[in-house]
This record gives sequence, C-alpha cells and structure tokens, in this order.
Amino acid sequence: EVQLVESGGGLVQPGGSLRLSCVASGFTFSNNYMDWVRQAPGKGLEWVGQIRNKAQGYTTEYAASVKGRFTISRDDSNNSLYLQMNSLRIEDTAVYYCGDMGAVIGNYWGQGTLVTVSS
Amino acid sequence: DIQMTQSPSSLSASVGDRVTITCRASQGIWSHLAWSQQKPGKAPERLISAASTLLSGVPSRFSGSGSGTEFTLTISSLQPEDFATYYCQQYNSFPYTFGQGTKLEIK
Repeated sequence: EVQLVESGGGLVQPGGSLRLSCVASGFTFSNNYMDWVRQAPGKGLEWVGQIRNKAQGYTTEYAASVKGRFTISRDDSNNSLYLQMNSLRIEDTAVYYCGDMGAVIGNYWGQGTLVTVSS
Repeated sequence: DIQMTQSPSSLSASVGDRVTITCRASQGIWSHLAWSQQKPGKAPERLISAASTLLSGVPSRFSGSGSGTEFTLTISSLQPEDFATYYCQQYNSFPYTFGQGTKLEIK
C-alpha cells in the first residue's frame, strides 16, 4: 500500500523559512518523479513543483509563484522528499501535499501538512 | 500555462442520480488527465488516470472519457459517499494545473 507522510508544517513569520519532509513507503520511491501540491484554506489545488528521478538527473520544475524561493530535493536512500521554503509570504499559507501527480496509475497523495505564514 | 476549466462549479443531486462533470483544457493535452476526489478535511484521492483508467479499488460507477481538450467524469448512480469535491488535473506540460473544482452536494 502506498503511503506518503508529510511533516514539518507550522507557524512561521513572513520572510521566514521552513523545511517540509515527506516519507514514502509501499512503492519504489527512487523510480518515481515526485511533486508538491498545496491548497490554501477554502481554495483549490495548486501544483508547486516536481523533482525527477536519478535517471533524469534529479532535475526540478517549479510553479512561477514559488520559483527562486522554494527548493525541492530528495534522498532516495531514506525514501524521503523535501521542500525547502524561504522568503515565505502570507499567500504561501496552505496545506502542502507530497505525491506523484504525473502519469502514475495509482493514488499517490500524502495526507498533508499545514503551513501558516503570519506575524 | 494550460488552463483547466470545470463545469459546473457546483452541483446538487440525489442518491441514485447519474451525474457528469466536464473539464476543458485551453490546449490539447492528449489523455494526460487525472480526476481526484476530495472530502472535507481530507487529502485528495486520485480516481482516474490517463483520462479513462479507473484506479484499483475505485467503484465501477465512476468512469472517465475524453482526449485532447474535452473530458468528462461520470458517476452512474450516486452513493452517499460520493458527495465531495472533484478536481481534474493535466500532467501534459509544466506547470501542471488543476481545474477549480466541482462541489457535488446532496439535493
């Protein structure tokens, strides 16, 4: 069974930093491209970014809204995905989900972790 | 960016009804489309990949169709547990984009 468990969310002041983690199990994590998606309170879903696998050089893609502020990385030896968030803004307040949002035939959504940016 | 537009944005229906949700892409995305369901306070769950491939464990009353720019999600006979918000999502090109969601409510 695919399981994705996010952690690291919390309250942070505008301009601050936070690092989210996502631990995967139940599938061969190292093969998958992995994504972060977020959902602001009461709003829809917004794709944040993707990191490809080793075969694709761990290359990354980002949404324009986070490019230059957020960095996605992974540690395949620990089945872990990370989202380093810097220069946080109030509008980054959201539940952050990790998962595989690509062509995978399966449900690869984590349960989410809440990030609140507020003074 | 590819814009995904769902219609309707909300829908009231009764148990046993057949409902259809439409998702239109602003440019062609082949069959690179997923449908996900989200219940209040819960994470989304993918139901369909590749426009029409029903994921394991998803009831057969759900079906997806379409390719190119127009897609549909159909629930053949609504059950109480189907009342939720549904999102389409394209994974044809970056940035991946979601529809705005369709909230399915009990009439």
